Amino acid sequence: AQSVSQHNHHVILSEAASLELGCNYSYGGTVNLFWYVQYPGQHLQLLLKYFSGDPLVKGIKGFEAEFIKSKFSFNLRKPSVQWSDTAEYFCAVPRDDKIIFGKGTRLHILP
Amino acid sequence: EAGVAQSPRYKIIEKRQSVAFWCNPISGHATLYWYQQILGQGPKLLIQFQNNGVVDDSQLPKDRFSAERLKGVDSTLKIQPAKLEDSAVYLCASSLASGPYEQYFGPGTRLTVT
Repeated sequence: AQSVSQHNHHVILSEAASLELGCNYSYGGTVNLFWYVQYPGQHLQLLLKYFSGDPLVKGIKGFEAEFIKSKFSFNLRKPSVQWSDTAEYFCAVPRDDKIIFGKGTRLHILP
Repeated sequence: EAGVAQSPRYKIIEKRQSVAFWCNPISGHATLYWYQQILGQGPKLLIQFQNNGVVDDSQLPKDRFSAERLKGVDSTLKIQPAKLEDSAVYLCASSLASGPYEQYFGPGTRLTVT
C-alpha cells in the first residue's frame, strides 16, 4: 500500500537560503502525490500536487517539487526562502479513497 | 467561497469527561473527513463520510469515539470518556468527492485533556 516518509523533522535555514525537503513514497501502482503546508495559526492547505505528466510541478509561493520515479522521491524545493515560509510541511499520498500524510517537517526560517 | 468551519477552536476537559466537536464543510462537498493530529505527527484519518454514509472508520476508537454527519452536511465528532492520550488537534476536511482530490481543511479544534 502507498505510504510516504519524511526524513527531515526539523529544518532551520536563514533567509535567501535554498530549500529542499525530502519525501519518499512506497511503490504501489499509479502514483499521485501532494505537498501540504500549515503556516502558524492557519489551516492546512495544498501547496502543490502531482497526478501525471510533467514530473516538475510548480506550486504556490514559488515552491516546486520533482517526481523522480527511479528514486521514489517527490522532494519539495524553493531556491530562496523567506521568513514567511516558516511553517510545517506535509507530504501526502492518496491510498484507497483517502489521503495518507507523512509526519511532517517543521521549517524555521531565521530573519 | 466560505471555507470549512469548526468549533470550538480550543477545549480543555478533564479525563473521563465527554466532548463534542462540530464541523461545517464547504457547500457542495460530498466527502467529509475527521483527522486527529498529535503534536509532532501528521494528521491521522479517524473517519471518512461520503454524503451521510461512513466510508472508512477503521482508525476510529469506537469504544470512545463516535461521529455522525447530519443530512450529509454538518458533522459532529464525540469523545466519551476522554483519555489523556486524546489530547490533540482535531481537523475536519472536505472534498468534492472521495479519491485523490484536494482536501480543504478547517482550522481545527485543539483539545487538551488534563
